[in-house]
Amino acid sequence: AQSVSQHNHHVILSEAASLELGCNYSYGGTVNLFWYVQYPGQHLQLLLKYFSGDPLVKGIKGFEAEFIKSKFSFNLRKPSVQWSDTAEYFCAVTSGTYKYIFGTGTRLKVLA
Amino acid sequence: KAGVTQTPRYLIKTRGQQVTLSCSPISGHRSVSWYQQTPGQGLQFLFEYFSETQRNKGNFPGRFSGRQFSNSRSEMNVSTLELGDSALYLCASSLTGGGRKAYEQYFGPGTRLTVT
Repeated sequence: AQSVSQHNHHVILSEAASLELGCNYSYGGTVNLFWYVQYPGQHLQLLLKYFSGDPLVKGIKGFEAEFIKSKFSFNLRKPSVQWSDTAEYFCAVTSGTYKYIFGTGTRLKVLA
Repeated sequence: KAGVTQTPRYLIKTRGQQVTLSCSPISGHRSVSWYQQTPGQGLQFLFEYFSETQRNKGNFPGRFSGRQFSNSRSEMNVSTLELGDSALYLCASSLTGGGRKAYEQYFGPGTRLTVT
């Protein structure tokens, strides 16, 4: 069965620090990969997505993610975080159907 | 364009009761998915409906069911509630017609269900 692992459950960073959140999935075929973000009191929203092509994808608010097929990973990065990036981040995968598998989420707290 | 709406926003029920949650997708979206969100478990996929048909299903017991109406609105029902059903239930809608846009989900605010 497909699964998604987010190993960092809680991350605390100071403003301007660099961020990398890990995401690993288990599925051997073609996948579509997503990162969603849930800011405090807000709905889940799409941060970025990967379908094919360039493995480095850019999303909103300066976030990017790199798909490494050999490592089954899709890590989220941001060079310099801001206090407003405090949120919960979810990695998700689908294998071409509309059945999504989400990770358990990573809570990021950015200290001003 | 209005976003995904879910009603009610909060619900308290007793063990053994049943509950119905409602979701109205974004206008023009015909696919509706349901998720259960709990601390430590993240989002778990319940089912997805398209054109009034369940197209995908997660690994939940038969107590969890859903349906979709001709206007794409969807309802989710949980029968014989258990304490462990306490969670935030999220609905998401997406465009259909193939292509990458069909995979972008737009989430509603959720219904917070508490079972006592």
